[in-house]
Parts: sequence; structure tokens; C-alpha cells
Amino acid sequence: GAVVSQHPSWVICKSGTSVKIECRSLDFQATTMFWYRQFPKQSLMLMATSNEGSKATYEQGVEKDKFLINHASLTLSTLTVTSAHPEDSSFYICSADPGLAGTIQETQYFGPGTRLLVL
Amino acid sequence: QKEVEQDPGPLSVPEGAIVSLNCTYSNSAFQYFMWYRQYSRKGPELLMYTYSSGNKEDGRFTAQVDKSSKYISLFIRDSQPSDSATYLCAMRSGFQKLVFGTGTRLLVSP
Repeated sequence: GAVVSQHPSWVICKSGTSVKIECRSLDFQATTMFWYRQFPKQSLMLMATSNEGSKATYEQGVEKDKFLINHASLTLSTLTVTSAHPEDSSFYICSADPGLAGTIQETQYFGPGTRLLVL
Repeated sequence: QKEVEQDPGPLSVPEGAIVSLNCTYSNSAFQYFMWYRQYSRKGPELLMYTYSSGNKEDGRFTAQVDKSSKYISLFIRDSQPSDSATYLCAMRSGFQKLVFGTGTRLLVSP
């Protein structure tokens, strides 16, 4: 099946530092990857859509300068939380769509998530 | 009004029961419907994927889509304690982003 990995699975950092989270599709190529944020007992909130070879599309209210997204290849997208603060502490989940650009034959497969705690 | 409504639960059932999970939606353009299972502190896992109306069965799981009523369901037969998790419905139209329900927490007691 379609497998998506995330690294690291959890990270603790000091306020003001930057944290990079990697999302990889292991057995398929993904033109499009998505980054979500999830607070305890709440549903997933889409932060941005990452397209290989182009700039990410951010959802309303998400600071693009704070949450930097790079889709370096068809199997790798990274999310960098810059100058992290305690309110950025959350569960970050990526997903990848194995459908070819312009087709809608597939759905999204999610990574295991990264738990970020900013002290 | 949210685009997708889902009862957050928790829904508690005894082992072996038939579980019915439901979502309603308001956007008639939705064509692709999914159910995800999410264990605590884990990423969502795709359970069922359905295009347009109809039923789809996979083992103990059956997904139903009624576009005329804007209503989708997931049935779990012979529920097991290992089915205890949060179940998220999700849907989208064409190239648009997935829209999620809030998730229903299911507890299956031995």
C-alpha cells in the first residue's frame, strides 16, 4: 500500500528556534503533498498544499513566513516552523496524493505525524 | 454551518456490536468520500474510499454514500476492542482540498 513517513516523530525545542519536519512518500511519487495541524480532540486543519516545483498554497490565517514549506522532489516535502513559540506546539501531519497532476483517481495517504513541543 | 457535520461522540458499544458512523454534508459538489481511522497520537489511516453514490464493502467495513440526502455512513460489523479509535469522514469535489468532519470517537468494550 501507499506509505508516507514523517521525521522526526516528536521534537522538543526551545522558544525561538526553528524546527524542520520531513514528509516522504516511500513507495509512490506525489506531485501534491499537504500539511495539517491537529489540536487535541480536534479534527485536522489544513495549513497548506505543497506542489512539487512550485510555491506552496497556504490556507487563510496561516503565516507563510512562519511555516516554510519546500517540496524538493516528488517524494519529499519539508515544513519548517521558524522562530517557534509555545503556541506552535501541536501535532503536525502530512499527507501525499499519489494521483498524477490533473487526475483525481486517488486520495490522500497520511504520515504518522510529528508531535512538536516548544518550551 | 459547517460543510461537513459529524457527531464527536464518544460512541460506546460492546464487543461484537454493529457500529454505525455517519456524516452529513452541505456541498452537493462533493464526489469523493473517504473514511479514515485515527488512533491516539497517530496519523489517520485510510479505511474506505468511495466515488459518488453507492455501497462499498471491505471485510467488516461497509461504506454507504447517499448523495441525494447528502449523507454518508460507515458500518463496522462484529466490532472489536481494536476498533476503538476516532473515525474521520472526509470528502472533496474534483481537484479541491479534502474537507474533514470533526471525527467520532468510538469505544468498543470487551
